[in-house]
Amino acid sequence: AQKVTQAQTEISVVEKEDVTLDCVYETRDTTYYLFWYKQPPSGELVFLIRRNSFDEQNEISGRYSWNFQKSTSSFNFTITASQVVDSAVYFCALSEAVTGANNLFFGTGTRLTVIP
Amino acid sequence: KAGVTQTPRYLIKTRGQQVTLSCSPISGHRSVSWYQQTPGQGLQFLFEYFSETQRNKGNFPGRFSGRQFSNSRSEMNVSTLELGDSALYLCASRGRTGGARYQETQYFGPGTRLLVL
Repeated sequence: AQKVTQAQTEISVVEKEDVTLDCVYETRDTTYYLFWYKQPPSGELVFLIRRNSFDEQNEISGRYSWNFQKSTSSFNFTITASQVVDSAVYFCALSEAVTGANNLFFGTGTRLTVIP
Repeated sequence: KAGVTQTPRYLIKTRGQQVTLSCSPISGHRSVSWYQQTPGQGLQFLFEYFSETQRNKGNFPGRFSGRQFSNSRSEMNVSTLELGDSALYLCASRGRTGGARYQETQYFGPGTRLLVL
């Protein structure tokens, strides 16, 4: 069975601090895909990144970076020099190739508040 | 390209009524998925449609149904509404972030907030 765990329910940081959001997943599939989405108060889920199970290369996009480690089944997300606009709920999600890879299993989300 | 659009954005219904929500995917996307988001259960997959056929279904009762039209637009219907159906209903269309099929990603619309009284 698949499962995504985001143990941090809420995090508060002061602007310009770095923050890491944790994501741990479980799957029996050897091919799977991991995602991060941002949900601002408006409700829309904004796609941030997709990582394939066969690609463990870490990625950096501006102030965002992602650390994928298959050995620990983790896909952590770091925001460097946080800004107030980063305040949102962040979801980690998993989809599996065996089921057609189209339905996402989401974690419970981490609410990030950046204090000015 | 325009993003995923959903109508209506807000809806208030009473128990026992039925409701139909609409989703227009990103142009060129043929797959549409629906998700329910509630404070208690979080984000849960409802179903996915591709080329007018339901390809995958989550663990929801038969009161939840959907369909997809030839232009890829999709509708979701909930019959005999219950208080617990109050939620944000999100639609996602699937397409490629890059040139390879394995880079397909789901892009979400703004959602429809349904309140059942």
